[in-house]
Amino acid sequence: QKEVEQNSGPLSVPEGAIASLNCTYSDRVSQSFFWYRQYSGKSPELIMSIYSNGDKEDGRFTAQLNKASQYVSLLIRDSQPSDSATYLCAVTKNDMRFGAGTRLTVKP
Amino acid sequence: DAGVTQSPTHLIKTRGQQVTLRCSPISGHKSVSWYQQVLGQGPQFIFQYYEKEERGRGNFPDRFSARQFPNYSSELNVNALLLGDSALYLCASSLDKYNQPQHFGDGTRLSIL
Repeated sequence: QKEVEQNSGPLSVPEGAIASLNCTYSDRVSQSFFWYRQYSGKSPELIMSIYSNGDKEDGRFTAQLNKASQYVSLLIRDSQPSDSATYLCAVTKNDMRFGAGTRLTVKP
Repeated sequence: DAGVTQSPTHLIKTRGQQVTLRCSPISGHKSVSWYQQVLGQGPQFIFQYYEKEERGRGNFPDRFSARQFPNYSSELNVNALLLGDSALYLCASSLDKYNQPQHFGDGTRLSIL
């Protein structure tokens, strides 16, 4: 079992729709959870961090964490073509481990 | 404020050679981590350094080594390069060693011929 698993996609949504990205992790004692966005040929950019169960909202982005289910998700509301990128889920205990990423395409 | 800076941007080496990659963290950040990213995969953790000491090591061979300097900058060294070492090498910095968000530099693209 991989430490951090994400659906590889690609996930395609129309402009203005909600994009839902999911991530599961294997280490129950993981403590911090992050979502990064990576455009093609660029480095990862931090977009959300979440540390406790529940929802955390930042603009069009909402991160959701359920430690009992070892599940973290990212919702992107009113998706824009500029949101088209690979989204990486990262989980930390002593060091940071990444999933393989989900490629999102937002179609105009 | 400047972000994480890495040098060089691109590097071409041949098998068996050695390479040194450099990283300067965000001002005030004391922790530096190194990652390897191959196409289609997420970053794979190589090392974390905090206050000049190794705080974590991923599943990489001993050909990979790193160090952190008193000014918190860091170097990643890879010896006896293999074709499979071709990848994007990313450096990330954070305020401390645990659970803090990490901020990435633009990476060094290493190609092995």
